[in-house]
Amino acid sequence: GAVVSQHPSWVICKSGTSVKIECRSLDFQATTMFWYRQFPKQSLMLMATSNEGSKATYEQGVEKDKFLINHASLTLSTLTVTSAHPEDSSFYICSATGQGGETQYFGPGTRLLVL
Amino acid sequence: GDSVTQMEGPVTLSEEAFLTINCTYTATGYPSLFWYVQYPGEGLQLLLKATKADDKGSNKGFEATYRKETTSFHLEKGSVQVSDSAVYFCALGSAGGYQKVTFGTGTKLQVIP
Repeated sequence: GAVVSQHPSWVICKSGTSVKIECRSLDFQATTMFWYRQFPKQSLMLMATSNEGSKATYEQGVEKDKFLINHASLTLSTLTVTSAHPEDSSFYICSATGQGGETQYFGPGTRLLVL
Repeated sequence: GDSVTQMEGPVTLSEEAFLTINCTYTATGYPSLFWYVQYPGEGLQLLLKATKADDKGSNKGFEATYRKETTSFHLEKGSVQVSDSAVYFCALGSAGGYQKVTFGTGTKLQVIP
């Protein structure tokens, strides 16, 4: 149980375009979802936290107009990278917790390359 | 703020060797501590956790003990296998309305036959 999926797993886009990444909890209701960014050989950095039906809470230094997060249902959260630039190229990982849950369950990640 | 420091890799061991991956943390209050594992091409999986001082988390032959006096949560395994090759992340969770997790940089383990 506690499976989280992400789609797509790999995306290449042109600079200036927008890219949407989906995160789904497949077998549980995710009251809270987290979005992370991972640079090569570096740790995961939390970008934002979203609760179903409310606005996401962004970490300091993360542009909320750049990284749009929507958590419209208990099984789906989306991250949209707007007007992507090469410096946005990275590995984006989502995670989710159930109600009262302490443990985060992670998706497999989405690798974004902006040309 | 909260932080996690773990030993840099890669760590290369022969099969059946003893494994230790060091992890120390800085946090206010009483965090929960975690080890996550990331196998090649997969997402992070929770390996084990401990929620209070002196707790020992264990799973799949791996163990880690929450040491408050040394602010450490070192990962150990008595006999590693090739299938243990992966990246291991030490992490701490701060209490609050939700569990905010701070990760270490990860340690790559390669086990050779």
